Amino acid sequence: GDSVTQMEGPVTLSEEAFLTINCTYTATGYPSLFWYVQYPGEGLQLLLKATKADDKGSNKGFEATYRKETTSFHLEKGSVQVSDSAVYFCALLRKAAGNKLTFGGGTRVLVKP
Amino acid sequence: EAGVAQSPRYKIIEKRQSVAFWCNPISGHATLYWYQQILGQGPKLLIQFQNNGVVDDSQLPKDRFSAERLKGVDSTLKIQPAKLEDSAVYLCASSPTGGTGLRAFFGQGTRLTVV
Repeated sequence: GDSVTQMEGPVTLSEEAFLTINCTYTATGYPSLFWYVQYPGEGLQLLLKATKADDKGSNKGFEATYRKETTSFHLEKGSVQVSDSAVYFCALLRKAAGNKLTFGGGTRVLVKP
Repeated sequence: EAGVAQSPRYKIIEKRQSVAFWCNPISGHATLYWYQQILGQGPKLLIQFQNNGVVDDSQLPKDRFSAERLKGVDSTLKIQPAKLEDSAVYLCASSPTGGTGLRAFFGQGTRLTVV
């Protein structure tokens, strides 16, 4: 079945450091890929998405590229801020499976001033 | 546009009691999901509806959990009887059926504590 694997946290960084969170997936066909973010005390919010191979999703300085050959969708940000402290979830959606949406386990990121 | 509405936001019950959660999806969204998110874990799909039909309920503990989506709009998720391990945030999400902008929109969730 579908699955998403992302690096375990917590990831602790200093402000302005470079952030990478690895995400790989297993799914048949051509899923859409997403990064969701959950800030402390808040609900899940869509951060960015990519719907086909080689697409790059970007938002708020974050980027991720859909790599079909390595089944990966790693999240990157060049210079993190304290306000980026949150839990980040990688997810895939398969339209052919009736829009089935599967999440990874989440990666907690803590940015220190 | 209005988002996904869930109620209640918080609920504390004793084990073996019953509880129900309500979700109203975004208008026009055919797909509705219920997820269980245990503290420190990713959301786990419990049940997925397409209109008022069930698409996937393979991870729903059917001996104690039930869900319905009458008329293909709002939905209720029930737990009876509750166990301590059911303590979690229950998330409802909805998505449109098609289009290139396909994505899921999440409600704020209901935090359930079973004591």
